[in-house]
Amino acid sequence: QVQLQESGPGLVKPSQTLSLTCTVSGDSISSGSYYWSWIRQPAGEGLEWIGRVYTSGSTNYIPSLKSRVTISVDTSKNQFSLKLSSVTAADTAVYYCARDRGSGWYYFDYWGQGTLVTVSS
Amino acid sequence: QSALTQPASVSGSPGQSITISCTGTSSDVGTYNLVSWYQHHPGKAPKLMIYEGSKRPSGVSNRFSGSKSGNTASLTISGLQAEDEADYYCCSYAGSSTVLFGGGTELTVL
Repeated sequence: QVQLQESGPGLVKPSQTLSLTCTVSGDSISSGSYYWSWIRQPAGEGLEWIGRVYTSGSTNYIPSLKSRVTISVDTSKNQFSLKLSSVTAADTAVYYCARDRGSGWYYFDYWGQGTLVTVSS
Repeated sequence: QSALTQPASVSGSPGQSITISCTGTSSDVGTYNLVSWYQHHPGKAPKLMIYEGSKRPSGVSNRFSGSKSGNTASLTISGLQAEDEADYYCCSYAGSSTVLFGGGTELTVL
């Protein structure tokens, strides 16, 4: 059974960098069969796809966040990570990591339970 | 890119059928048959219910079905059950390797 688990600080100060890690079990990121995505949900709002990474390190990002986002992969730890710089209160959200079927399909078949990140001083 | 449009809420009685719409544009839903649907019980991981517009993953009840007409995709749940009460989100490929989600629909089983 594929499982994903988000981890990282629950509180980040404005203007700082939000950093989260997703640990994958039950599948190998290095297998190359899937992409790996980050998705967020601000309180009371819908889901927003942030971006994805492939085992090779290649990435796709939503244009509105592209200047602030970096998603990377660590195949040795079977993890992938999200960094979002210069955060503001608008970045407060539940952040999910998900397995992404990627090119040609574009759906998410396994998700983590999500982690709440609050941006506040 | 704007979020796909879903009704904020829908409701139905046990045994009934309900349909949740997901309206996009000719740049996303209207062009690509790559709409997926997710069921989300708050506090839990979202669950894939439909992909590629109308395909069900293994283990998903055949009470769930997906369709599309023009720029609008739809999720229909037949034989409504109490356990179906959840939030539902649509998602569509939007070109340039990006996807858009809908704002979500809260389903209440009366």
